[in-house]
Amino acid sequence: GAVVSQHPSRVICKSGTSVKIECRSLDFQATTMFWYRQFPKQSLMLMATSNEGSKATYEQGVEKDKFLINHASLTLSTLTVTSAHPEDSSFYICSARGLSQKANEKLFFGSGTQLSVL
Amino acid sequence: AQTVTQSQPEMSVQEAETVTLSCTYDTSENNYYLFWYKQPPSRQMILVIRQEAYKQQNATENRFSVNFQKAAKSFSLKISDSQLGDTAMYFCAFILTGTASKLTFGTGTRLQVTL
Repeated sequence: GAVVSQHPSRVICKSGTSVKIECRSLDFQATTMFWYRQFPKQSLMLMATSNEGSKATYEQGVEKDKFLINHASLTLSTLTVTSAHPEDSSFYICSARGLSQKANEKLFFGSGTQLSVL
Repeated sequence: AQTVTQSQPEMSVQEAETVTLSCTYDTSENNYYLFWYKQPPSRQMILVIRQEAYKQQNATENRFSVNFQKAAKSFSLKISDSQLGDTAMYFCAFILTGTASKLTFGTGTRLQVTL
């Protein structure tokens, strides 16, 4: 089955630094990638949707200058948390959608990244 | 806007027993997909089962089956012969069929399978 690789799985950084998280579709072309944030014992909250070659669409309340999303190719999207602060500590998950007409039948998830900001 | 509601924050079931997790949703659209995802302690999202709204027949995957009531906008998950490995968070999710659609998740149900 299709695989989405997300790296790193865990990152610890100092407050004020930037962290980049990568999400790669390994055996299919992902026209759309979704980035979610998940706090402990809560559901996944959609942060933004990125389409290859265009600017990401951010959900209400998500700072686009803080959470930079790039989707430069059909197999790679990155989320950069800029000037990270302790409140940005969370679990981040990406999800990818393929090219087919019935692509919404199945979305593929990365394994997630636990970000801890000290 | 679409919403998904899971009214059971936590459920517990004994091994080998059957448990049903509830989910309701709200939409004015007619073509969509519904999903149940499992998130074990590893936090990897695992697709359990999928239902296409235009199909009347309830989806089944081995020990997992759904009761899809389109008119009532209800989509419950039944887990038969529960196993310890079924212990996880379960999320109900909804997406329209269009390419611009986004997946909407419910708040989740934490299922504990006990001996």
